[in-house]
Amino acid sequence: DAGVIQSPRHEVTEMGQEVTLRCKPISGHNSLFWYRQTMMRGLELLIYFNNNVPIDDSGMPEDRFSAKMPNASFSTLKIQPSEPRDSAVYFCASSKDSKGEQYFGPGTRLTVT
Amino acid sequence: AQTVTQSQPEMSVQEAETVTLSCTYDTSENNYYLFWYKQPPSRQMILVIRQEAYKQQNATENRFSVNFQKAAKSFSLKISDSQLGDTAMYFCAFMNNNQGGKLIFGQGTELSVKP
Repeated sequence: DAGVIQSPRHEVTEMGQEVTLRCKPISGHNSLFWYRQTMMRGLELLIYFNNNVPIDDSGMPEDRFSAKMPNASFSTLKIQPSEPRDSAVYFCASSKDSKGEQYFGPGTRLTVT
Repeated sequence: AQTVTQSQPEMSVQEAETVTLSCTYDTSENNYYLFWYKQPPSRQMILVIRQEAYKQQNATENRFSVNFQKAAKSFSLKISDSQLGDTAMYFCAFMNNNQGGKLIFGQGTELSVKP
């Protein structure tokens, strides 16, 4: 099994630009989670999907952030426009169901200058 | 709201020794799960151990075991026979069984295993 796949691994962009992070969950997993990790706030859940449907997006910081899951094998997290305070490591995780063990991807390190 | 607290920002241990990492949590729920995740310098998040709140028996995975004290809302991780590869950040996490898969993480403890 390839595990959770995220791309890109690193992203450097300028303030105001659109950023799209991508995630491929483990095949057969029905739940997908997006987390953000920063020194100040630690690890926090942004949004999660169950069977491609967003269930809890209360962690999405503001309207500049949006997430989609068009099918069971792909999800995106988009930031538009990006700001320096969005700099963080963004993790995608998946699990067989919403209460199962979550398997994390390698993360995307985003730097907004 | 649930909270998770790890009161030890940093710890160190000699190789082959035993170390215990502390975690406390606050919840009014009765049905939940607790986890320990390891994050080595590669930044990959790796599940170490999981505990269901309804189980009284402490979970064990090889050299890793927990001391789950439900009444005290305490969930410590014991690492026996520490190895250099155990050097990592360790995060305690809480999941409310009634709120789907939302993991709430503690601030983390940075563990250094010294040769």
